[in-house]
Amino acid sequence: RKEVEQDPGPFNVPEGATVAFNCTYSNSASQSFFWYRQDCRKEPKLLMSVYSSGNEDGRFTAQLNRASQYISLLIRDSKLSDSATYLCVVNPSGNTPLVFGKGTRLSVIA
Amino acid sequence: DARVTQTPRDKVTEMGQEVTMRCQPILGHNTVFWYRQTMMQGLELLAYFRNRAPLDDSGMPKDRFSAEMPDATLATLKIQPSEPRDSAVYFCASGSAGGKTQYFGPGTRLLVL
Repeated sequence: RKEVEQDPGPFNVPEGATVAFNCTYSNSASQSFFWYRQDCRKEPKLLMSVYSSGNEDGRFTAQLNRASQYISLLIRDSKLSDSATYLCVVNPSGNTPLVFGKGTRLSVIA
Repeated sequence: DARVTQTPRDKVTEMGQEVTMRCQPILGHNTVFWYRQTMMQGLELLAYFRNRAPLDDSGMPKDRFSAEMPDATLATLKIQPSEPRDSAVYFCASGSAGGKTQYFGPGTRLLVL
């Protein structure tokens, strides 16, 4: 089983739609969780951290289910500019490198 | 606005040639990572350093790849000899002690013919 698994997509959604991405991780001892965003031909950039209680940043909501080892990202009112690849990222422990999923590609269509 | 910088941004070379990629981490960051990204494999960790000491390079083909940090402001990744299967985007990232996030450079897009 891969350490971090994501549906590669692509997810093609119309502007204004709500879209959700899921991710599972294999290491139950993992300590911290993130979503990174990567635009075409650019580097990955931190979108948001994911907290156990769930957290929101504008149109973006991230949730963590430790029991199921599952992370989600919800995007409301999709914009064209949201088109990108979204990488699910897990930190197994404080002193080890982050583990990246392969990403889920989102295309928001006018 | 502190950033990780990488050079060159693009590199086209012929099989068998040496390739050297350079990275300047964000000032004050003590951890530096090298990743390779391809469509098939996604982001793969090649090697990483903490306080300039190599901690893990198990993701790197040892016979042809080498990574070093000559000083705190420079990390290098060398491929010698290069092969077509090395074609990928190579990212450098840096992070601070105890920090949970990594900051990526713009990448070096390598094409080996």
